[in-house]
Amino acid sequence: DIQMTQSPSSLSASVGDRVTITCRASQDISTYLAWFQQKPGKAPKPLMYGASVLQSGVPSKFSGSRSGTDFTLTISSLQPEDFATYYCQQYHSIPFTFGPGTRLDMK
Amino acid sequence: QVQLVESGGGVVQPGRALRLSCVASGFSFSDYGMHWVRQAPGEGLEWVTSVSHDGKNKFYADSVKGRLTISRDNPKNTLYLQMNNLRADDAATYYCARDRARNGGSYSDYWGQGTLVTVSS
Repeated sequence: DIQMTQSPSSLSASVGDRVTITCRASQDISTYLAWFQQKPGKAPKPLMYGASVLQSGVPSKFSGSRSGTDFTLTISSLQPEDFATYYCQQYHSIPFTFGPGTRLDMK
Repeated sequence: QVQLVESGGGVVQPGRALRLSCVASGFSFSDYGMHWVRQAPGEGLEWVTSVSHDGKNKFYADSVKGRLTISRDNPKNTLYLQMNNLRADDAATYYCARDRARNGGSYSDYWGQGTLVTVSS
């Protein structure tokens, strides 16, 4: 199975900050990587697929990139609604594994 | 607009069975693969199973093989998850999600609100 790790596991930031979350795959997954945002008590919200393609309706302050088996999600100019938990998921191979999540909270 | 509405969750004793349903609307259900993803209380997301658009191809996480079965009824726009021999570690919120592709092997672009399964004696 492909293992996904995320760093940091938690992050405190302020409104207006730029933050970066990293996800690493245990083997090559090309760009078969998605990012999700989840708020407490809510379903995950798809943000991005193909490592860098924004889901329809997602603002351009979210961006993604890939370097080998390392992937980053960057959020520019944090707003109050961006504080949530973020998950990456590989869909290269069954089972489609998720990272453990990065909790982003307000400083 | 795309809507996925799960139902069927509840409290069930260990070893018993439960069937979850997910009714889809706002898109051509028979053209898309579908997934079930679960989340134990306070934990992360776990992909459970997926099915191709025509129901012919099914994929499972090792942790549920032989106990959970995914199926679909395209004329009824409904996805199912039959859960047998339930264990304490199956307790979670179960989400159904639409796959971007027909074969059930891609990214989940729409999610339901989830249904909670509690396993307790």
